[in-house]
Amino acid sequence: DSGVTQTPKHLITATGQRVTLRCSPRSGDLSVYWYQQSLDQGLQFLIHYYNGEERAKGNILERFSAQQFPDLHSELNLSSLELGDSALYFCASSPPSRREGATQYFGPGTRLLVL
Amino acid sequence: DAKTTQPNSMESNEEEPVHLPCNHSTISGTDYIHWYRQLPSQGPEYVIHGLTSNVNNRMASLAIAEDRKSSTLILHRATLRDAAVYYCILRDSPIIQGAQKLVFGQGTRLTINP
Repeated sequence: DSGVTQTPKHLITATGQRVTLRCSPRSGDLSVYWYQQSLDQGLQFLIHYYNGEERAKGNILERFSAQQFPDLHSELNLSSLELGDSALYFCASSPPSRREGATQYFGPGTRLLVL
Repeated sequence: DAKTTQPNSMESNEEEPVHLPCNHSTISGTDYIHWYRQLPSQGPEYVIHGLTSNVNNRMASLAIAEDRKSSTLILHRATLRDAAVYYCILRDSPIIQGAQKLVFGQGTRLTINP
């Protein structure tokens, strides 16, 4: 158990819909990262938040948005869903950075299926 | 981001050592070498990291070539639980904006035979 929790575990929805994925980081971790894992693209970085502020963006679509709240939990919002958005979505958290890069602790993921 | 090259798959037997190679010929002087693994149906988990010297922890050892253009993750006695996809990742100094993200390649799928 990494200490990172994600809800829900599974989500089935239809094209065009909007969903919200939730992540609670490990106690004391200020950074939250979101990653998408699909069969054809592998694990891809989406976005990084540090203490409520966006720090870096990766290959995140404009239909997707995220935020980190004052209690440090984070939500990833996916809208106008398409079949291709079906994937595993992982959240990770890390303690303050070190020179060598802080270890990231991953949650169990949310499996999204868009029908 | 500097690129790494790993074999797509490897196979080994239980209780034998496993050497997982990674090539990173374009590594820069500030890049740290990190290894993560992803067990079936789980999120990735940290294994080990290093810069220049070989490193050991309770999970594995990391051997880094003198020119740093390659490294090897060593599992000393593989168990069935070590069957996973292993990712070799280069991480630049976090001082650089956006350097905190992990850039995953395809990794090596390790199969352990009983």
